[in-house]
Amino acid sequence: NAGVMQNPRHLVRRRGQEARLRCSPMKGHSHVYWYRQLPEEGLKFMVYLQKENIIDESGMPKERFSAEFPKEGPSILRIQQVVRGDSAAYFCASSVGQGAYFGPGTRLTVT
Amino acid sequence: DQQVKQNSPSLSVQEGRISILNCDYTNSMFDYFLWYKKYPAEGPTFLISISSIKDKNEDGRFTVFLNKSAKHLSLHIVPSQPGDSAVYFCAASGGNYGGSQGNLIFGKGTKLSVKP
Repeated sequence: NAGVMQNPRHLVRRRGQEARLRCSPMKGHSHVYWYRQLPEEGLKFMVYLQKENIIDESGMPKERFSAEFPKEGPSILRIQQVVRGDSAAYFCASSVGQGAYFGPGTRLTVT
Repeated sequence: DQQVKQNSPSLSVQEGRISILNCDYTNSMFDYFLWYKKYPAEGPTFLISISSIKDKNEDGRFTVFLNKSAKHLSLHIVPSQPGDSAVYFCAASGGNYGGSQGNLIFGKGTKLSVKP
């Protein structure tokens, strides 16, 4: 039973490029969350999605960031026109009830 | 404004002794609390949780205590082992979104070092 999968594990982008981070939830899980961990910080909630719906995006920056969880395929966190401050570890989690199970994260480095 | 606070960034204990990690919260709507353990370059791993209707939950060497009136919870690890060395995150949730726990609010973490 595979856990939450994220790819790529490491992503390097130049300023101004786009970053796409993918998350495949655990089998049977229909709820996906994205979190960001900046250096020396805890995990900060970004967005909560169910299939084809955004339930809570209160943690998403207003510009350049978007997320989707289509009917088929993984959830995608998209960051347009990346800046150095976007460098962080991005974690996806999935759940079907209480508690959330995290993927290994994608470490984004913006040069 | 931080709703979940872990005021000790680090803790060092001797192998075999008790580790106590503390967490405070401000939002009285939180009704579910979790502890996660995180190793470098890995995602957080769920450790133990507690519902607000309980004041204690135990799982092997790990026990979580909840004091609702003080808005405080703690994780006890007894006996501590070197393999327990990791960053521990406290998380809280309030509200239920269609059967799921909703988003989790995390503290900044406490780095535990267990010395042999």
